[in-house]
Order: sequence, then C-alpha cells, then structure tokens
Amino acid sequence: RKEVEQDPGPFNVPEGATVAFNCTYSNSASQSFFWYRQDCRKEPKLLMSVYSSGNEDGRFTAQLNRASQYISLLIRDSKLSDSATYLCVVNKRGSYIPTFGRGTSLIVHP
Amino acid sequence: AAGVIQSPRHLIKEKRETATLKCYPIPRHDTVYWYQQGPGQDPQFLISFYEKMQSDKGSIPDRFSAQQFSDYHSELNMSSLELGDSALYFCASSLSPGVSYEQYFGPGTRLTVT
Repeated sequence: RKEVEQDPGPFNVPEGATVAFNCTYSNSASQSFFWYRQDCRKEPKLLMSVYSSGNEDGRFTAQLNRASQYISLLIRDSKLSDSATYLCVVNKRGSYIPTFGRGTSLIVHP
Repeated sequence: AAGVIQSPRHLIKEKRETATLKCYPIPRHDTVYWYQQGPGQDPQFLISFYEKMQSDKGSIPDRFSAQQFSDYHSELNMSSLELGDSALYFCASSLSPGVSYEQYFGPGTRLTVT
C-alpha cells in the first residue's frame, strides 16, 4: 500500500461545479501537508499548504483530518483553467523529504 | 518573482553517455532537491542538499552523483546512461528545513536517452 493514496480520477466536471478530492496517508507521524497542481509535462506548482485548522485561498479550501489521516481539497466555481493533476504531498515529522501521491486528474469542461 | 532555473530544458543523449543537469535555486533558498518523474508517475525523490552538504538520499542510482556549490546552485551528474533514465528531472528549492517545508519546482529537464 502506498504511503499516500489518491483517487486517480479523472474527475470530469462542468464549469462552475464544486469538486472535492481526498488524499489518505498511512504514516501517523506525518506532519506537513501540501497540495500541488501539475499541468501536463510541466513542473508541480505549490497550490497550498494544509494546516490543522484548515485554510482557504479564494476558491480553494484545504482541510486536514488527523484522526482519520486524510486531507482534502475543495474547489468551488470550477474554471476551465483548473483542469490539471492535483498532487497530495506529505512530509513525515522532522523530514523535509516529501512523499507524493499519484495525483488526481481534474477535467473541467464547458 | 524569481523562480528555480534549470538547464538545459531538453537533452538527448545516447546510451552509455554522460549528462550534467544544472539547477539554480530561488534567491535565499539554501536547500535543493532533485526528482525524477517518468511518464504517468509521481516525482521520485533522488537526493537533496542543505547548505552545500548532502542532506538526504532517495532512489538515486550509483551511476548518478550530485553536489551543491558555494552559490547554492546544484548539478546532477549522470553517467553510463540507460534507456530507462529517460524522464523529466525536476529540481526544487526551499528555505532551510525547520523554517519551511514548502518546495518550489523548476521547469524541469527532459532527458531522452536513445
């Protein structure tokens, strides 16, 4: 079982829809959590860090559930430009070496 | 804002040749990471450097070596290239561990081994 698991999708949604992704991690010692966005053949780009209290950045909201060991990403009012692969990234406590999930593909259509 | 710079962006080599990939981190970032990403795969951590010292090692083959220089740029040296080395190689940089774990990726070097 991978340390970080994501539903690969694809999630196919119309513009304006709300979509949510979950990511589960197996190591309870995990401490730092991130969502990255990666477009085809491009570099991963940091979307947001995920804090214990949850955080919001515009249309994007990230949540952390330590008890159930998952993080989530909610995208509201989806835009065509949101189409990408969303990578869940987890660092173990005291380690800056991230473990990547395989990514969730999002396709937003007109 | 300045980003991570990688060169070259594309590289074509033949089997058994050598290649050198370069990475220039964001100014004030003293930590550099190297990743390999094959088609349809997530990035695989190879090696990292903090303050010019190797800080951690992942799945880097013995044929590969890397170092970080006094200006914090880093080079990944790859020898005896194999077909399976064809991939995207990303460099990422961050502030010191303990200050931030947020990594910023460069545009990558696409290596093709023929």
